[in-house]
Amino acid sequence: KAGVTQTPRYLIKTRGQQVTLSCSPISGHRSVSWYQQTPGQGLQFLFEYFSETQRNKGNFPGRFSGRQFSNSRSEMNVSTLELGDSALYLCASSLGGWATDTQYFGPGTRLTVL
Amino acid sequence: DQQVKQNSPSLSVQEGRISILNCDYTNSMFDYFLWYKKYPAEGPTFLISISSIKDKNEDGRFTVFLNKSAKHLSLHIVPSQPGDSAVYFCAATHDPTGANSKLTFGKGITLSVRP
Repeated sequence: KAGVTQTPRYLIKTRGQQVTLSCSPISGHRSVSWYQQTPGQGLQFLFEYFSETQRNKGNFPGRFSGRQFSNSRSEMNVSTLELGDSALYLCASSLGGWATDTQYFGPGTRLTVL
Repeated sequence: DQQVKQNSPSLSVQEGRISILNCDYTNSMFDYFLWYKKYPAEGPTFLISISSIKDKNEDGRFTVFLNKSAKHLSLHIVPSQPGDSAVYFCAATHDPTGANSKLTFGKGITLSVRP
């Protein structure tokens, strides 16, 4: 069974640009969550999508947005990039949500903002 | 405000000995806790969880202890193995099956197990 895949794995952008990251969950999983990992803040929850609807949202500005498609694949968009957005962005999928089912993480997308 | 704190950034133990990873939380509403392990270049993997109705949960070499009055939990790994060397994240939430539940993570502890 294929795991969670994220593309691209590495990305370099400049301030002010926007970026879109992609996450393909494990087949059959309907929940996709996104996290930001930085050395200073650790892992922080961004948002969760379930069946194409945002079910939950963390404390991030509106520049961070996402969506989920009918095949459960999810994208995360960050507009007007800032230096502080440099981080490892992880997505995780589960059958019905992390609370009821084990969450499986992808390898992450390393975003560097110059 | 860091609601989940892993105050020791790193821990080094000898193979075969016990590893104790600590986690403190400030939000008294938290009632469900999880530990994740992360190797370099990989996403975190779920390790073990505990509900606030328990004070201990065991899974093989891994045991999590919860002290609600102290708002403290710890992960014990016995015996420690070199393959356990990784970053360990503690996470917490309130009402995990609720509509607005979300995980709050600590910053992680880097465990090194020396052969």
